[in-house]
Amino acid sequence: DAKTTQPPSMDCAEGRAANLPCNHSTISGNEYVYWYRQIHSQGPQYIIHGLKNNETNEMASLIITEDRKSSTLILPHATLRDTAVYYCIVSNSGAGSYQLTFGKGTKLSVIP
Amino acid sequence: GAVVSQHPSRVICKSGTSVKIECRSLDFQATTMFWYRQFPKQSLMLMATSNEGSKATYEQGVEKDKFLINHASLTLSTLTVTSAHPEDSSFYICSALELGGASGYTFGSGTRLTVV
Repeated sequence: DAKTTQPPSMDCAEGRAANLPCNHSTISGNEYVYWYRQIHSQGPQYIIHGLKNNETNEMASLIITEDRKSSTLILPHATLRDTAVYYCIVSNSGAGSYQLTFGKGTKLSVIP
Repeated sequence: GAVVSQHPSRVICKSGTSVKIECRSLDFQATTMFWYRQFPKQSLMLMATSNEGSKATYEQGVEKDKFLINHASLTLSTLTVTSAHPEDSSFYICSALELGGASGYTFGSGTRLTVV
């Protein structure tokens, strides 16, 4: 699986948009970009995933660059409950089961 | 959406005893489940891949005789930590994939194991 690079930590003011970057310059054509988050002492929670098109759901938006070498997760209106470690993972989920390999992620702190 | 139940959430055991952790997919069938371990202030480390009806596949450095995995049905995988030692104290997390589902892997809530 391709490796990802994320900043170790970020702060965001409550109510503002949180933009979390991820570099995945070695991503291959059949690998998806997944985002999960982990709130302290809980299991990771799925947020969103995409292949090459931008995606949006009730939690977040995912913007993937045209060359697919980087992406940005956007939480449009961050709340205190969004404080967590956010993991960007690339994995081939095209057919059958696939593994998720977690890096160190970005610790997002939402500040009142 | 897909739900994975993990039990127990916390367990304290004495050195030398064994502990079993259960991971259930509640509303879907999972032919493959994964077991992770997470030490404080570290990321999740994949321990093994649990395949229904067959032997688990362990990651390098994980002792298969110490961490016994049984995936006897499409909705249940168990991890047994045998002859536990204090260094096995960690946060253990399982995950399962609903094939064809829209939300990737679903994770359990984790089990905090403390060996005293």
